[in-house]
Amino acid sequence: KAGVTQTPRYLIKTRGQQVTLSCSPISGHRSVSWYQQTPGQGLQFLFEYFSETQRNKGNFPGRFSGRQFSNSRSEMNVSTLELGDSALYLCASSLASGANEKLFFGSGTQLSVL
Amino acid sequence: DQQVKQNSPSLSVQEGRISILNCDYTNSMFDYFLWYKKYPAEGPTFLISISSIKDKNEDGRFTVFLNKSAKHLSLHIVPSQPGDSAVYFCAASARGDKLIFGTGTRLQVFP
Repeated sequence: KAGVTQTPRYLIKTRGQQVTLSCSPISGHRSVSWYQQTPGQGLQFLFEYFSETQRNKGNFPGRFSGRQFSNSRSEMNVSTLELGDSALYLCASSLASGANEKLFFGSGTQLSVL
Repeated sequence: DQQVKQNSPSLSVQEGRISILNCDYTNSMFDYFLWYKKYPAEGPTFLISISSIKDKNEDGRFTVFLNKSAKHLSLHIVPSQPGDSAVYFCAASARGDKLIFGTGTRLQVFP
């Protein structure tokens, strides 16, 4: 069974640009969550999608948005990039929604904003 | 406001000894706790979990202890192996709400 796939693996952008990251969950998983990892901050929750609906949202500005498609694949978009957006963005999938569900993480997309 | 804190950014342990990773939390509503392990260039992987109705959960070399009165969680690895070298994140949730992760502790197990 294939794991969670995130593309691209690395991305370099400049300030003010926008970026779209993609996540394909494990087959059969309907929930996708996104996290931002930065040194010293751990994993910060961005949002969770289940059956194409946003179920939960973290404390990030509106520049961060996401969506989920009918096949459970998810995309995350960041507009007007800032230097502080440089981070590893991790996607995780689970069978169902809820924090008690075991999360399966992808390898992440390393975003560098110059 | 960091609700889940891992105050030790790193820990170095000799192979065969016990590794103890600590985690403190501030939200008394947390009722489910997990540990994830992360190797470089990989996503975190689930290690072990514990519900607030228990104070201990064991899985092979890994044991998680929960002290609700102290709002403290610890992960014991016995015996430690070089392959255990990784970053360990503790996480907590309240009534199935989103998982809150700590900042991580880098464990290095040396021969």
